[in-house]
Amino acid sequence: EIVMTQSPATLSVSPGERATLSCRASQSVGTKLAWYQHKIGQAPRLLIYSASTRATGVPARFSGSGSGREFTLTISSLQSEDIAVYYCQQYTNWLRMYTFGLGTKLEL
Amino acid sequence: QERLVQSGAEMKKPGASVRLSCKASGDTFTAYYLHWLRQAPGRGLEWMGWIHPNSGGIHSAQKFLGRLSMTRDTSISTAFMELTRLTSDDTAVYYCATGESLSDLGTSGWFDPWGQGTLVTVSS
Repeated sequence: EIVMTQSPATLSVSPGERATLSCRASQSVGTKLAWYQHKIGQAPRLLIYSASTRATGVPARFSGSGSGREFTLTISSLQSEDIAVYYCQQYTNWLRMYTFGLGTKLEL
Repeated sequence: QERLVQSGAEMKKPGASVRLSCKASGDTFTAYYLHWLRQAPGRGLEWMGWIHPNSGGIHSAQKFLGRLSMTRDTSISTAFMELTRLTSDDTAVYYCATGESLSDLGTSGWFDPWGQGTLVTVSS
């Protein structure tokens, strides 16, 4: 099973700041990597797929990068509504297995 | 865009079973794999399995084999998940989510959209 490790576990930020979240895979997943935003009481929301492609309707301040084992989600100018937990997910084992990181919690 | 609406919260005793539903709006229910995932308190997201909306074929994560069944009723665009022999470790919010297009050739694997989640509490 591919283990996804996210860091930091918690990131304290201020509005307008840049936030950089990291995700590392235990083995290469190519670019088969997605990012989700999860707010309390809501459904997780897809932000990024294929490591760097923004999902429909996702603001341009969200960007993803990386390949292989190392990935980054960047929020260029944090807004208050971006406070949430962010998860990365690998999908290299198509239709067989999917794994998520434990998340990075953004807090003010 | 399609929306997924899940059934309400459940409280079960250890050893019992729980059956959840996930209804899709729109007309794309039969075009995508439908996945089930869960998140236990203080833990990360965990993928459980999927159902093929047309054939009804399923695939489960190894840890749920023998306990997890997934079905669907295409006439009402609804998927069902049943988990048996519940323990306190099964206390979690359970999500359904749309996955790969049936025409996909292995390029996708993300989940979008997700249902709102159903809290299942297992307690004696």
